[in-house]
Amino acid sequence: KAGVTQTPRYLIKTRGQQVTLSCSPISGHRSVSWYQQTPGQGLQFLFEYFSETQRNKGNFPGRFSGRQFSNSRSEMNVSTLELGDSALYLCASSATGLLNSPLHFGNGTRLTVT
Amino acid sequence: AQSVSQHNHHVILSEAASLELGCNYSYGGTVNLFWYVQYPGQHLQLLLKYFSGDPLVKGIKGFEAEFIKSKFSFNLRKPSVQWSDTAEYFCAVKGNTGGFKTIFGAGTRLFVKA
Repeated sequence: KAGVTQTPRYLIKTRGQQVTLSCSPISGHRSVSWYQQTPGQGLQFLFEYFSETQRNKGNFPGRFSGRQFSNSRSEMNVSTLELGDSALYLCASSATGLLNSPLHFGNGTRLTVT
Repeated sequence: AQSVSQHNHHVILSEAASLELGCNYSYGGTVNLFWYVQYPGQHLQLLLKYFSGDPLVKGIKGFEAEFIKSKFSFNLRKPSVQWSDTAEYFCAVKGNTGGFKTIFGAGTRLFVKA
C-alpha cells in the first residue's frame, strides 16, 4: 500500500506570495491532518479534515486554510507569506480519525520564505 | 486545552545505555497516547500506542512505555540503546473532545554514540 504522498517536496517563495501544498493520503484513509514543524517547536496542529469537512482547527491565523476533496486528497494554502512561515509542513492520514486511529505521515513539504 | 510536555530536548547516550524519555500531558477527558519517531531523513512513524488495558505497552525495536494515569505520564523506555536509535522522539496525545485531534510534544533529539 502506498504511503502518504506530499507534493512538492521543496518550495521557495518570497514574502507576500501564496502557496498551495498537496497531500494524497493512504488509500482508504478518510482523515487528513496538517502540521507545521519547526526546530524547537515540535509539531503544531493546523487542521484536520474528515470526509471533506474541517473538524478541527489549530491556533493559526486565517492566512492558513485547507480543504479536502471527495477522494480524500487534501490541499493546504497559505496566503500573504511571512518569513516566519518557513517550516516543514507535514500531512498525516488516519483510517477513521477516531480516538484509536494513529497517524501516518508523509515526508513533508519544506517551505522557505525569503 | 490539551498539552504535551517532554522533559528533555536533547539526550546523548552511549550504546548499551538505558533510555528513559519523559512525557507528561494535560487533558481532562479520555486520551489515547502515542510515541512517534523520526529517524534522520525519514518520515515520522509510529513507535507504540496506548489505548486501554495493560499500562505497559511494547512497541517496535524493543521500546516500551508505561502509562501512569495518576501522574498524567507516558514515559518511553529502552533497556539498551543502539546507534541506530539516533532519532527524534515525539510524545503525542489524542483526546475524545475537540474532535480527536492529535497534539504533539516538542520532541526529544536522541544521539547515541557508537
